[in-house]
Amino acid sequence: AQSVTQLDSHVSVSEGTPVLLRCNYSSSYSPSLFWYVQHPNKGLQLLLKYTSAATLVKGINGFEAEFKKSETSFHLTKPSAHMSDAAEYFCVVSEDGSQGNLIFGKGTKLSVKP
Amino acid sequence: DAGITQSPRHKVTETGTPVTLRCHQTENHRYMYWYRQDPGHGLRLIHYSYGVKDTDKGEVSDGYSVSRSKTEDFLLTLESATSSQTSVYFCAISVAGEGTDTQYFGPGTRLTVL
Repeated sequence: AQSVTQLDSHVSVSEGTPVLLRCNYSSSYSPSLFWYVQHPNKGLQLLLKYTSAATLVKGINGFEAEFKKSETSFHLTKPSAHMSDAAEYFCVVSEDGSQGNLIFGKGTKLSVKP
Repeated sequence: DAGITQSPRHKVTETGTPVTLRCHQTENHRYMYWYRQDPGHGLRLIHYSYGVKDTDKGEVSDGYSVSRSKTEDFLLTLESATSSQTSVYFCAISVAGEGTDTQYFGPGTRLTVL
């Protein structure tokens, strides 16, 4: 069965410093992997998607993620945090043929200090 | 928000009453989904639809029913609301050509069952 584990429930960084949000997945087949962001009291916005075309995926707002099959990881990074990045981030896995049954991680809340 | 609206946006109801949440989309997408979001759980799939009158269960479907009599509307019904169904409910769609696993979310409905 597929699953996803976000290794940190809360990450705090200072503005201008790098961001690393960690995600490990478990999947029997070729997974699609996603990162979504949710700002307070808002819906979810798709940040980026991996579908086996390239292991390094670039998303919106300067975020990127690298798929590492040997480590079953899909960590999200950004070189320099902005105050506007403060939000909750969800790592998501889906398997081929699942008709869109997404499995969400429990989320990582990112705080950005001035 | 991919042209998705949800109504109502907020609702408070009492245990045992029926509740219907509406998801409306304007772009003729075939696939629609209902999720619930609870602290510490990420999002979990309740039901989904792959066409008019075609629906299937998700991970947490007990206590919920859905209907889709026309392409643009996907209704989620709690036949007899319970306090455990207090949650934020999100509707999502997937876009033809992007795969069913690439989903775009509506703004959410916050439901409180007293």
